[in-house]
Amino acid sequence: DGGITQSPKYLFRKEGQNVTLSCEQNLNHDAMYWYRQDPGQGLRLIYYSQIVNDFQKGDIAEGYSVSREKKESFPLTVTSAQKNPTAFYLCASTAGTGAYEQYFGPGTRLTVT
Amino acid sequence: AQTVTQSQPEMSVQEAETVTLSCTYDTSENNYYLFWYKQPPSRQMILVIRQEAYKQQNATENRFSVNFQKAAKSFSLKISDSQLGDTAMYFCAFTSLYNQGGKLIFGQGTELSVKP
Repeated sequence: DGGITQSPKYLFRKEGQNVTLSCEQNLNHDAMYWYRQDPGQGLRLIYYSQIVNDFQKGDIAEGYSVSREKKESFPLTVTSAQKNPTAFYLCASTAGTGAYEQYFGPGTRLTVT
Repeated sequence: AQTVTQSQPEMSVQEAETVTLSCTYDTSENNYYLFWYKQPPSRQMILVIRQEAYKQQNATENRFSVNFQKAAKSFSLKISDSQLGDTAMYFCAFTSLYNQGGKLIFGQGTELSVKP
């Protein structure tokens, strides 16, 4: 079955450590996205990538980094510079030009203490 | 900048009844898509329905339908014959056809409870 996987479902880190969240898709989608969700708020865009080896900052990119070395993979690194990293992180993808609905992975809940 | 507003943080409905969730948006563009996503307690985001702005006909998907009022920039979701499995957070989202990145802009969400 085609879909988007995110691992792990729950992640715990100590303050000051970098952590990388995994996102993999086998939908052959061109574009991939990372969103952050906080309680009582909608999703906010962190980074997105439309093609391999290219990505752009979203609305809240500070303290995060990404890479897109393969079409199916778009990992997100939460660095120690991110002031409030505890949140629920969602990865999404879309087929690209002409397709606008995004399909989401199951998410990763990151807790930093 | 585009914005999406959902003015109802919480709503409840009795099983088998109908409920309407509200969404308004602000944009100066003419061509765009609107979506409703559902996020149940599992937190998996699920696409419920989409509407292309150039289409006058309101989209429907089984028990889900929208009332798209382009001039008023309103995009409400009607759920008919509500079921317990409809209990979830519902998000309205916007994307512009002129937006090269295909970014979605989300509202704050409406938490819907379906009561037996």
